[in-house]
Amino acid sequence: GQNIDQPTEMTATEGAIVQINCTYQTSGFNGLFWYQQHAGEAPTFLSYNVLDGLEEKGRFSSFLSRSKGYSYLLLKELQMKDSASYLCAVRDSYSNYQLIWGAGTKLIIKP
Amino acid sequence: GAGVSQSPSNKVTEKGKDVELRCDPISGHTALYWYRQSLGQGLEFLIYFQGNSAPDKSGLPSDRFSAERTGGSVSTLTIQRTQQEDSAVYLCASSSQASQYFGPGTRLTVL
Repeated sequence: GQNIDQPTEMTATEGAIVQINCTYQTSGFNGLFWYQQHAGEAPTFLSYNVLDGLEEKGRFSSFLSRSKGYSYLLLKELQMKDSASYLCAVRDSYSNYQLIWGAGTKLIIKP
Repeated sequence: GAGVSQSPSNKVTEKGKDVELRCDPISGHTALYWYRQSLGQGLEFLIYFQGNSAPDKSGLPSDRFSAERTGGSVSTLTIQRTQQEDSAVYLCASSSQASQYFGPGTRLTVL
């Protein structure tokens, strides 16, 4: 079957670093996405990994290990505005156009 | 416009009424998706359009739901005989390659 797992909620402190994990089991794999969704707003694209390794983009980095079916999103120098839900999604190569979505991780930043 | 637009932003209707939700994708994007998101939940895939191909309707929850895409651009999602469990935010996304870009959503409330 197809399954995307990520923690339901995490709490971190302003200025700190947080890592949000995502594990997946899909029929095929053609890339992994991270999206950010603020409360009451639409998801916005953060990162895309298709090869193993770390992709860095400013304060955000995303890592992928295809052999382990594992990814993480790393957020550095946390700011209050980073409080949001972070959605992990896998593009299934058996249905090349569809993203299989995790339920999202709600990140709460405390001062 | 530069992004995906949806209308209306909010819709309140009575149980049993029909509703139509509209999505204007990013110009040139051949793929269009409809999702549903209940409060605090992940994204639920509804339907996918790709160019002139037959749409993938595998996510539609019942035959009360239908969608069309005219001229490969604007899409309309229709829900007939609405039920209270249809209350959710309906999100539209378009893409040209891998990343999906979301509209602001339509919040549907069925009384």
